Amino acid sequence: RKEVEQDPGPFNVPEGATVAFNCTYSNSASQSFFWYRQDCRKEPKLLMSVYSSGNEDGRFTAQLNRASQYISLLIRDSKLSDSATYLCVVRDNFGNEKLTFGTGTRLTIIP
Amino acid sequence: EPEVTQTPSHQVTQMGQEVILRCVPISNHLYFYWYRQILGQKVEFLVSFYNNEISEKSEIFDDQFSVERPDGSNFTLKIRSTKLEDSAMYFCASSGRENQPQHFGDGTRLSIL
Repeated sequence: RKEVEQDPGPFNVPEGATVAFNCTYSNSASQSFFWYRQDCRKEPKLLMSVYSSGNEDGRFTAQLNRASQYISLLIRDSKLSDSATYLCVVRDNFGNEKLTFGTGTRLTIIP
Repeated sequence: EPEVTQTPSHQVTQMGQEVILRCVPISNHLYFYWYRQILGQKVEFLVSFYNNEISEKSEIFDDQFSVERPDGSNFTLKIRSTKLEDSAMYFCASSGRENQPQHFGDGTRLSIL
């Protein structure tokens, strides 16, 4: 089983729509969770950390379900600039700094 | 906003040659990392570095690889004898404290001929 698994997409979504991405992780001891976005041939950029209680940042909402080892990202009112690959990222243990990346989900917002 | 900077942006090297990739982490950060991304694949962890020593390394980070913080600002990745399969995008990252999010530089594209 892959350590961090995501649907690779692509998701082609009209502008203004709501889109949701899911991610599962295999290590139940994982402690920290993030969503990064990556534009074509660019570096990963932190979008948001994911907290157990769920958290929101503007149009973006992240949820964590530890029991199911499942992370989600919801984007509301999608904009053309949201087109990117969204990376689900997990850090396993306190004191272990290694980030484990999913393969990413590609999103294209259509005008 | 402070950022991680990497040089060069693109490095072309003959197989078997040594290459050094350079990074300047964010100035007050203490934890430093190298990752790589082969074209079309996921980002993979190589090594983490704290307090002037390696704190963790992956299976990819074999004896051909080394890291160094030669002064107070630079963090380098050296590949001693490059192979074709070392061709990838190499990202440096840094974080301020343990468990804080890591911020990535814009990468060095390494092409081995």
